[in-house]
Amino acid sequence: KNQVEQSPQSLIILEGKNCTLQCNYTVSPFSNLRWYKQDTGRGPVSLTIMTFSENTKSNGRYTATLDADTKQSSLHITASQLSDSASYICVVSNTGNTPLVFGKGTRLSVIA
Amino acid sequence: GAGVSQSPSNKVTEKGKDVELRCDPISGHTALYWYRQRLGQGLEFLIYFQGNSAPDKSGLPSDRFSAERTGESVSTLTIQRTQQEDSAVYLCASSLAYRGSQDGYTFGSGTRLTVV
Repeated sequence: KNQVEQSPQSLIILEGKNCTLQCNYTVSPFSNLRWYKQDTGRGPVSLTIMTFSENTKSNGRYTATLDADTKQSSLHITASQLSDSASYICVVSNTGNTPLVFGKGTRLSVIA
Repeated sequence: GAGVSQSPSNKVTEKGKDVELRCDPISGHTALYWYRQRLGQGLEFLIYFQGNSAPDKSGLPSDRFSAERTGESVSTLTIQRTQQEDSAVYLCASSLAYRGSQDGYTFGSGTRLTVV
């Protein structure tokens, strides 16, 4: 069964600190993996998209990694800011015509 | 428009009533998707449109749910005889092509539906 598991479920960090969010998937055959940020009361916004051949992709203070062999991805946030408080959702696509598989997200709270 | 627009942003309805949720995708986006997000849960796929056709309706939870799209633009998600378990945020997304290729999806802000 195609699944995406994210950890931790929630996380609280101090402003300025770094953090890493994890995503494990069983989706096969793999096509691409996306990280979205969802602010409270808003729709998800794309941060990065990675294909099989990409190991690392950065978007400002966000850096995503992908290990297609172990079917794991991480999202690293550097020098966190209060505005980083949101849910971060990992989404995996296969090469077929089935819907994208969404993880349940990690709820990040950055506090002063 | 510049983004995906959904209306209403909030809807409170009585159990048993019908509701219509509207989505205006980004102009030129041929693919349109509906998702449901219950409180604290992940996104649950409902239906997708390619143009005005819905090749994949596999996620609609019951025959009380239906959706249509006209003019390869606006889509309406209709829930008949609403139940309390229908309470959720209904998100619409659009993309240039099915599953967004390298562009990903653009999501609207959602409609928060509360059935009382």
